[in-house]
Amino acid sequence: AQSVTQLGSHVSVSEGALVLLRCNYSSSVPPYLFWYVQYPNQGLQLLLKYTSAATLVKGINGFEAEFKKSETSFHLTKPSAHMSDAAEYFCAVTAYTGRRALTFGSGTRLQVQP
Amino acid sequence: DVKVTQSSRYLVKRTGEKVFLECVQDMDHENMFWYRQDPGLGLRLIYFSYDVKMKEKGDIPEGYSVSREKKERFSLILESASTNQTSMYLCASRLAGGITGELFFGEGSRLTVL
Repeated sequence: AQSVTQLGSHVSVSEGALVLLRCNYSSSVPPYLFWYVQYPNQGLQLLLKYTSAATLVKGINGFEAEFKKSETSFHLTKPSAHMSDAAEYFCAVTAYTGRRALTFGSGTRLQVQP
Repeated sequence: DVKVTQSSRYLVKRTGEKVFLECVQDMDHENMFWYRQDPGLGLRLIYFSYDVKMKEKGDIPEGYSVSREKKERFSLILESASTNQTSMYLCASRLAGGITGELFFGEGSRLTVL
């Protein structure tokens, strides 16, 4: 079975500062990794995904993530935070063994201070 | 745009009541999912369905059942609601053909069981 661990349930940054949200995965087979974002009172939407084509993945709204097999990590970054980035972010994993559904992490709430 | 519609945004029910949560998608997706979202726990998979009349248990199926009679509709049923089922319920859909496809989420149904 696959799992992900998100370090830090709350992260606060200043507007214009670097955003770094951490995700570590566990999988005995090659994983596929995702970041989803949830804005207040909305469902989740896909930010980006890693499907083994390239280790550095670029997503929407200036976010990117790097797959590091040696560190079993898939951290999400954005060079400069914007007030509109305030939301909850979820890392998720799946693989071609077992069930074909995503397993999500516990989420990280990002707060952006003016 | 893909649209996943959950019939009720907010519900209040009493312990022991039978509760139906309805989800409809308009993009002819084969796969549909029900997740439960709780603070600090992220999203946990309740049930999913690869196609009409097919269903598989997720991580927390106890106390829930599902129905998929038509491709566009996936219903979650709480046979006898209990207070520990107070939560946000999220429905999602995905095209078949691979596990790396994007999940499209509804806005959620917040259920309170008194």
